[in-house]
Amino acid sequence: AQSVAQPEDQVNVAEGNPLTVKCTYSVSGNPYLFWYVQYPNRGLQFLLKYITGDNLVKGSYGFEAEFNKSQTSFHLKKPSALVSDSALYFCAVRDRDDKIIFGKGTRLHILP
Amino acid sequence: EAGVTQSPTHLIKTRGQQATLRCSPISGHTSVYWYQQALGLGLQFLLWYDEGEERNRGNFPPRFSGRQFPNYSSELNVNALELEDSALYLCASSLGGGDTQYFGPGTRLTVL
Repeated sequence: AQSVAQPEDQVNVAEGNPLTVKCTYSVSGNPYLFWYVQYPNRGLQFLLKYITGDNLVKGSYGFEAEFNKSQTSFHLKKPSALVSDSALYFCAVRDRDDKIIFGKGTRLHILP
Repeated sequence: EAGVTQSPTHLIKTRGQQATLRCSPISGHTSVYWYQQALGLGLQFLLWYDEGEERNRGNFPPRFSGRQFPNYSSELNVNALELEDSALYLCASSLGGGDTQYFGPGTRLTVL
């Protein structure tokens, strides 16, 4: 079955430090992978996606994600965290029925 | 270009009543998706419409239904409301199945 896992419910990072939000996936065939961010009481905003090509994908707001086929991971990263990055982050994968499956989300807290 | 719009922003109903939520996709998008996000939880897939047809359905009872109109807008109907239906209902649109989804701001449904 196609699935995506976000092993951390919450991640705390000091402002200015690098951040990583983890995501692993299980799909048959080549994966289409996505990251979204949700600010309080708002809809989700698209950050970036991987379809094919370079394993390092750059997205909005300085975020990037690294696709690792051998580890079936697609971790979200940012070199220097901002307090405004505090939000709920969702990893997602397209399944074989073209449906998008979302992870349960990781709450990111950036500490000033 | 206008994004995905949803109405109403907030909706308060009593148990047993019916709720109708509306969504207008980004111009040119033919696929519309509905998700339920209960407080503190991840996204639960409800329905996917494309070109006027229901393409897929999540694990929800039949009292959750919807439709897509010829202009690709969509409505979600929830009959016989129950207290646990209280949630943020998110609509998303995409160019087609499996493409990047763009989300609206959501409708907050409260069932008393």
